[in-house]
Amino acid sequence: QQQVKQSPQSLIVQKGGISIINCAYENTAFDYFPWYQQFPGKGPALLIAIRPDVSEKKEGRFTISFNKSAKQFSLHIMDSQPGDSATYFCAASDLYDTNAGKSTFGDGTTLTVKP
Amino acid sequence: NAGVTQTPKFQVLKTGQSMTLQCAQDMNHNSMYWYRQDPGMGLRLIYYSASEGTTDKGEVPNGYNVSRLNKREFSLRLESAAPSQTSVYFCASNTYRVGATDGYTFGSGTRLTVV
Repeated sequence: QQQVKQSPQSLIVQKGGISIINCAYENTAFDYFPWYQQFPGKGPALLIAIRPDVSEKKEGRFTISFNKSAKQFSLHIMDSQPGDSATYFCAASDLYDTNAGKSTFGDGTTLTVKP
Repeated sequence: NAGVTQTPKFQVLKTGQSMTLQCAQDMNHNSMYWYRQDPGMGLRLIYYSASEGTTDKGEVPNGYNVSRLNKREFSLRLESAAPSQTSVYFCASNTYRVGATDGYTFGSGTRLTVV
């Protein structure tokens, strides 16, 4: 049972355009939703994260939109640049899991930004 | 500030051989994790350690064992490698306490091929 579903699998955007990646989750206990960015040959790196007490969080050109009732969240990359070309993973975790703050990941989206 | 260091970076094993993947973090994080990354399957949790002295199985633990040697180090052992264990392995760590986290810091990965 996949608890975090991510789409699309791949995305091609022109430079200056908006990239949108979507994730849906099933476990209503999830209360922490990070996005990670991974360049080829590197480990994923935390990009931005949101808690369900807010519907949107913005950091520079990156914005997370969160819809608690629909159990969905998305990453928006404004003014996409070729340097944004990478694989993006959404994740979710239950911060009141007393055992550990382990995350469940989506399958990833490969973003290509064409110059 | 090294963050999370994984060794080795690359390894080729023959079926049935054993090996240990090493991971060390210098951020005083209490929780550590081992994930495997396969094409189209995102990151799947193998084992995790919520704190020094504890370890637990994740989503795909079969064929692996772990040791939390101290607060800094968390190793992953393959006792009898199989071709299905060909993957990229990532170690991650974070500061976790009930209700709060700072997201994962990942190592750069170990690319393992079992022939």
